[in-house]
Amino acid sequence: DVKVTQSSRYLVKRTGEKVFLECVQDMDHENMFWYRQDPGLGLRLIYFSYDVKMKEKGDIPEGYSVSREKKERFSLILESASTNQTSMYLCASSPVLGYQPQHFGDGTRLSIL
Amino acid sequence: KQEVTQIPAALSVPEGENLVLNCSFTDSAIYNLQWFRQDPGKGLTSLLLIQSSQREQTSGRLNASLDKSSGRSTLYIAASQPGDSATYLCAGSGNTGKLIFGQGTTLQVKP
Repeated sequence: DVKVTQSSRYLVKRTGEKVFLECVQDMDHENMFWYRQDPGLGLRLIYFSYDVKMKEKGDIPEGYSVSREKKERFSLILESASTNQTSMYLCASSPVLGYQPQHFGDGTRLSIL
Repeated sequence: KQEVTQIPAALSVPEGENLVLNCSFTDSAIYNLQWFRQDPGKGLTSLLLIQSSQREQTSGRLNASLDKSSGRSTLYIAASQPGDSATYLCAGSGNTGKLIFGQGTTLQVKP
């Protein structure tokens, strides 16, 4: 089975801090994704990556950056955390864009105080 | 721009009932349609994926259909059980592989 592991289930940070969310997948998938999920807004794509060192902006990239130095690891970075970035963050991976299901991690619930 | 809508937002049924969850999308140029399950506080579990060339997919008590011409997909759950209680999300994918999600239907199956 595909396993997508997010480093933290719950995280509390303060405004202005630089925050790193880590995601690792064990199936050699080319594609990895970061979403955030908010009540009433659903899941929205922040960034995705279709290869090492490649990245594409999603629908809401402002205030975020990403890093993919190795195929199995995709990091989401909040450069200067703000309270409106309090959310559930979900990482996903897939082998082939558009033809195979995306597999999700358990999520990180991030609170910015 | 693709938009995905799920109606109803919530559904409560007695155990054993067969039920249908609905998903509609605005852009018929869809590559695939995925159905996911999400338990409270957890990530998403992929249930079924239907390619644009397919009409339906089945897994156990679940059957998902896709009608591109009408912009609709349905998830049929047979003989519902309390363990089926969760939020069900559908998501459409274009040729970039980016998923556009609906808001979900929260299902409660009462014993």
